[in-house]
Amino acid sequence: DTAVSQTPKYLVTQMGNDKSIKCEQNLGHDTMYWYKQDSKKFLKIMFSYNNKELIINETVPNRFSPKSPDKAHLNLHINSLELGDSAVYFCASSQQIGGGSDTQYFGPGTRLTVL
Amino acid sequence: KQEVTQIPAALSVPEGENLVLNCSFTDSAIYNLQWFRQDPGKGLTSLLLIQSSQREQTSGRLNASLDKSSGRSTLYIAASQPGDSATYLCAAETGANNLFFGTGTRLTVIP
Repeated sequence: DTAVSQTPKYLVTQMGNDKSIKCEQNLGHDTMYWYKQDSKKFLKIMFSYNNKELIINETVPNRFSPKSPDKAHLNLHINSLELGDSAVYFCASSQQIGGGSDTQYFGPGTRLTVL
Repeated sequence: KQEVTQIPAALSVPEGENLVLNCSFTDSAIYNLQWFRQDPGKGLTSLLLIQSSQREQTSGRLNASLDKSSGRSTLYIAASQPGDSATYLCAAETGANNLFFGTGTRLTVIP
């Protein structure tokens, strides 16, 4: 059973297009996240949602819009894709927010290539 | 803003050797320090989480220590095996589950 799943695994698209990446977790967790890992393998948080409410919104262009239809899903929509958006995007989830003892569980990643 | 650094960036050791990976962070006001493993083309797997009030955590052949005052954590791997080959990432949590990741140490264990 996959705990945190993402689709698609690979996404190749042209500059200027709009695309979405989907994430689902079956762990019953309240909190979900999106991370970006760039070509130098540096991993940085983009957003976190707790029970469908936005908690963290790091400095990310507003072309990126997360959407959480329910607490098991957190999708990432990207408008007007740019070359610099090419990266691996990871979804993650944890039981709750705060407390300092929560492990985050990561999905397998979506490799986005913008041509 | 929290900055997390890991050294070395890459490490090759023969099988059976004990090794230490280092992680340093600039802001000691952390909730916890976490170590993850990332295999090529895969997501991250949590290895150990040390809460800010703890000094170390152990899991099997892995032992992680935390010294908040000096802004350092180490991951000790005993009796390394080829299956330990991966990239190891440390991350400092500053609140609201906001993790700041280091750049990772790529470990190769040679049979």
